[in-house]
Amino acid sequence: DGGITQSPKYLFRKEGQNVTLSCEQNLNHDAMYWYRQDPGQGLRLIYYSQIVNDFQKGDIAEGYSVSREKKESFPLTVTSAQKNPTAFYLCASSIELINYGYTFGSGTRLTVV
Amino acid sequence: SQQGEEDPQALSIQEGENATMNCSYKTSINNLQWYRQNSGRGLVHLILIRSNEREKHSGRLRVTLDTSKKSSSLLITASRAADTASYFCATDSKGWSGGSNYKLTFGKGTLLTVNP
Repeated sequence: DGGITQSPKYLFRKEGQNVTLSCEQNLNHDAMYWYRQDPGQGLRLIYYSQIVNDFQKGDIAEGYSVSREKKESFPLTVTSAQKNPTAFYLCASSIELINYGYTFGSGTRLTVV
Repeated sequence: SQQGEEDPQALSIQEGENATMNCSYKTSINNLQWYRQNSGRGLVHLILIRSNEREKHSGRLRVTLDTSKKSSSLLITASRAADTASYFCATDSKGWSGGSNYKLTFGKGTLLTVNP
């Protein structure tokens, strides 16, 4: 079955540490996205990528970095510069950037300890 | 900035009743989408309605779009306990050139509880 796999499901980060969240899709989708969700809030866009080796900043990119070396993979690194990283992170993909619905992964819950 | 806002924030109904959720947005759109999220899970795409469409159906779901009022509604008929979830609208806004902004902007969602 095709889908998006996010790992790990739960992640704990110490102060000053960088962590990387994995996102893999086997849907052959060109576009991929990272969103952050805080309690009681909507989703906010961190980064998005239309094609391999290309990505754009979303609304809240500060303190985050991404890469898109393969079509299937779009990992997100939460750096120590992100001062409030505790949140639920969602990866998504779509056939193209516009006019198609998104397929979401099951999310990674990141907690700072 | 928030583009879409759902109303009400929370809705509690009995199984078998219909549920209606509304979404208002601020700027012109290319399309509007509805998603469902069960607690602690990812979002599931329900329906996409384009700016030149007024109504779409999918099973027990009915979505309407009124671009003159910048609003949309999601109707779930004959609700079931399994419909309990948060429902989000998301808009693909028009960019300055009239094309897409290439990103979906999500509202804060409506929490629907269907009591057995």
